Amino acid sequence: NAGVTQTPKFQVLKTGQSMTLQCAQDMNHEYMSWYRQDPGMGLRLIHYSVGAGITDQGEVPNGYNVSRSTTEDFPLRLLSAAPSQTSVYFCASSYYRGPVQETQYFGPGTRLLVL
Amino acid sequence: KNEVEQSPQNLTAQEGEFITINCSYSVGISALHWLQQHPGGGIVSLFMLSSGKKKHGRLIATINIQEKHSSLHITASHPRDSAVYICAVSNRASGSRLTFGEGTQLTVNP
Repeated sequence: NAGVTQTPKFQVLKTGQSMTLQCAQDMNHEYMSWYRQDPGMGLRLIHYSVGAGITDQGEVPNGYNVSRSTTEDFPLRLLSAAPSQTSVYFCASSYYRGPVQETQYFGPGTRLLVL
Repeated sequence: KNEVEQSPQNLTAQEGEFITINCSYSVGISALHWLQQHPGGGIVSLFMLSSGKKKHGRLIATINIQEKHSSLHITASHPRDSAVYICAVSNRASGSRLTFGEGTQLTVNP
């Protein structure tokens, strides 16, 4: 199993540009999520999904869009990049057993720099 | 005040020392997670626990639900243990969401 994969590993954008961060998992996990990690702020949840066709907002959803058309893929779209979105982005997945969070598996991260 | 607080923020130890990292939380939880992140690297889940104690190699995690406190212990520390250790909690009110502490930067010197 490849686990959770993310592409690209590093990206530089100009303000106003759009892009999609890719995330895929091959463990048949129902739950997938996107986090951003910033110095002094820790990890914060952007969006999450409990299954194909179901998504919901996390703590910091503004400026980001997601969709979940398959169990395997959960792309994160930046609609119009801003310098405040410079961060490291992590995708994670886990089995979903209702309100109890199962062990999450994290991708290697994408470093995004917005100029 | 953050819902999840870790201490210390930074910790430097000599190889072989016994290390303790603490995590306190202020919300009801269904599970607590300890994660490890190496410099420039990804994040790995070390433990998920809802009561008692778990052990994996030189790592031990304990939780006291009544006191809303968890500890991560590393016995016989080694330079390869140098990493950021992150505590996170999930609770029934927020479904499968994790709330994270800010992390503890551990450096183990040879």
